[in-house]
Amino acid sequence: QKEVEQDPGPLSVPEGAIVSLNCTYSNSAFQYFMWYRQYSRKGPELLMYTYSSGNKEDGRFTAQVDKSSKYISLFIRDSQPSDSATYLCAMVNAGNNRKLIWGLGTSLAVNP
Amino acid sequence: DGGITQSPKYLFRKEGQNVTLSCEQNLNHDAMYWYRQDPGQGLRLIYYSQIVNDFQKGDIAEGYSVSREKKESFPLTVTSAQKNPTAFYLCASSPDRTGHTDTQYFGPGTRLTVL
Repeated sequence: QKEVEQDPGPLSVPEGAIVSLNCTYSNSAFQYFMWYRQYSRKGPELLMYTYSSGNKEDGRFTAQVDKSSKYISLFIRDSQPSDSATYLCAMVNAGNNRKLIWGLGTSLAVNP
Repeated sequence: DGGITQSPKYLFRKEGQNVTLSCEQNLNHDAMYWYRQDPGQGLRLIYYSQIVNDFQKGDIAEGYSVSREKKESFPLTVTSAQKNPTAFYLCASSPDRTGHTDTQYFGPGTRLTVL
């Protein structure tokens, strides 16, 4: 079993839809959680960073962490075609030299 | 502008040749990383360096080598010993030298193709 599970998709939604992207993890030592966005043939860029259970909002993006269920989500409101990208979750294993563990990424297409 | 640059953007190599991928950052970050990305396999860590003149193997270091002679530079050599080098290579940096810190900033990547 992988430490981090992320459905690779692809996920296709119409413009304006609410998108929900999810990752589950198995190791309770994970303390810090990130979402990165990667456009095709580009490097990933950090979108959201959280370290506690609950929600964190930044514009149209909301990151949610549920440590009791070992589950994190990224919600995108009013999705736009420019949101079409691969979204990767990443988390820090504080018990293993703070190694960053990556999900495989979910491919999202927002159709105009 | 601060950031991470990688060159070249596309690189073609014949079998049996070594090639070196460049990574430079002007963010004054201590730590630097090399990943390779293959379809369906996500990001896999090749090497990382937390400080100048020091580096450690990641999860898939075989067939690769690195150096860290300057803080801003972390070149990756793909040797002929790497059996399947065709991939997208990403360099990243982070400000914290104490470990694989939380936030990593990525370059634009180099796509290597072995002919």
